[in-house]
Amino acid sequence: AQSVTQLGSHVSVSEGALVLLRCNYSSSVPPYLFWYVQYPNQGLQLLLKYTSAATLVKGINGFEAEFKKSETSFHLTKPSAHMSDAAEYFCAVRDVNNDMRFGAGTRLTVKP
Amino acid sequence: NAGVTQTPKFQVLKTGQSMTLQCAQDMNHEYMSWYRQDPGMGLRLIHYSVGAGITDQGEVPNGYNVSRSTTEDFPLRLLSAAPSQTSVYFCASSSGTGAYTGELFFGEGSRLTVL
Repeated sequence: AQSVTQLGSHVSVSEGALVLLRCNYSSSVPPYLFWYVQYPNQGLQLLLKYTSAATLVKGINGFEAEFKKSETSFHLTKPSAHMSDAAEYFCAVRDVNNDMRFGAGTRLTVKP
Repeated sequence: NAGVTQTPKFQVLKTGQSMTLQCAQDMNHEYMSWYRQDPGMGLRLIHYSVGAGITDQGEVPNGYNVSRSTTEDFPLRLLSAAPSQTSVYFCASSSGTGAYTGELFFGEGSRLTVL
């Protein structure tokens, strides 16, 4: 089964700084990759998804992610962090049998 | 816009008790699934269903049963609760069993504590 690995369980940035959350996938076939965000005591919401149409994917709230096959990576970025971005972020891969497999998550803290 | 609805939101059980977590979706989605979320482990797939009458096991199925008698409902049953089943449970659905590029839509979660 395919899997994803998120590097860094906690990331802290200052407001206005670049956000970079790392995700690497293991796949021998083109994967379908997703980033989700979870705010406290809520379910997961889709930020963006990669389905092979374009390597740079733009999502909601100013986030984007770039699919790099040579690095097996799908890192999430945002040029300027906002206090409201504080949340937990999950990278996920959907397998050919429909299973969605999630990374362990990265908790983003934004300092004023 | 109800989406995916889970009940109850909170539940406390004693070891050995049984209970059912309810999940309903109003989007006519064929695919439904249950996850548990534990700190530092992300979400792990318990069971999933690709349509009414069809269910299959995920990564961590032991101690849980599911059934899918209708497209809308996908209940998760804990047969004999154990403290290791203390977790937050999420139900999710998506359209198209063959179109695995689709995203999952999540419920708000059910927080279960087993004493």
